[in-house]
Amino acid sequence: DQQVKQNSPSLSVQEGRISILNCDYTNSMFDYFLWYKKYPAEGPTFLISISSIKDKNEDGRFTVFLNKSAKHLSLHIVPSQPGDSAVYFCAASAGARQLTFGSGTQLTVLP
Amino acid sequence: ETGVTQTPRHLVMGMTNKKSLKCEQHLGHNAMYWYKQSAKKPLELMFVYSLEERVENNSVPSRFSPECPNSSHLFLHLHTLQPEDSALYLCASSLRRGTLYNEQFFGPGTRLTVL
Repeated sequence: DQQVKQNSPSLSVQEGRISILNCDYTNSMFDYFLWYKKYPAEGPTFLISISSIKDKNEDGRFTVFLNKSAKHLSLHIVPSQPGDSAVYFCAASAGARQLTFGSGTQLTVLP
Repeated sequence: ETGVTQTPRHLVMGMTNKKSLKCEQHLGHNAMYWYKQSAKKPLELMFVYSLEERVENNSVPSRFSPECPNSSHLFLHLHTLQPEDSALYLCASSLRRGTLYNEQFFGPGTRLTVL
């Protein structure tokens, strides 16, 4: 049973618009959440993280929102750029132990 | 360039072969990981080494054998693999402070094909 779920395998967005990537989790013990971006033929690269004591963390064009009651987090990219086209993975950990990853969402930003 | 390198980048092997994957990190981290990524599936954690001691093994088949001679190097020895073991194998490292596993930095992966 997947504890971290990314239900949308793909998302297409127009350049300049907002991209919203969603992630749901089932383990209430998760207290640290991360987003990774992966280009083809490369390993995932860390993008942004959030601790469960916060509900929002912002870094430039990237903002992660955490809704603990709904066990849901989302990544907002504003404005979206063609170079943002990649697979985005969300990940979670409980008590600073191993990361559990979702299956990823392929984001395509159309020029 | 993340500071984590993996060799080889691509590997094709028969089921009776023995091969090894190598990972090296230049970040001063003290925890290293092996992950397996199959098509359309989440990354699966295989092994974690922290301070050169294996601390987790998620019931990986014994045909996969990790080795961590020091905090900068990690190997994955492969023998008598099955075609279903074909996947992208990713190495990662992080800085463990106390009990905290910090953000992990990934290498580019080794694309393994078992014939």
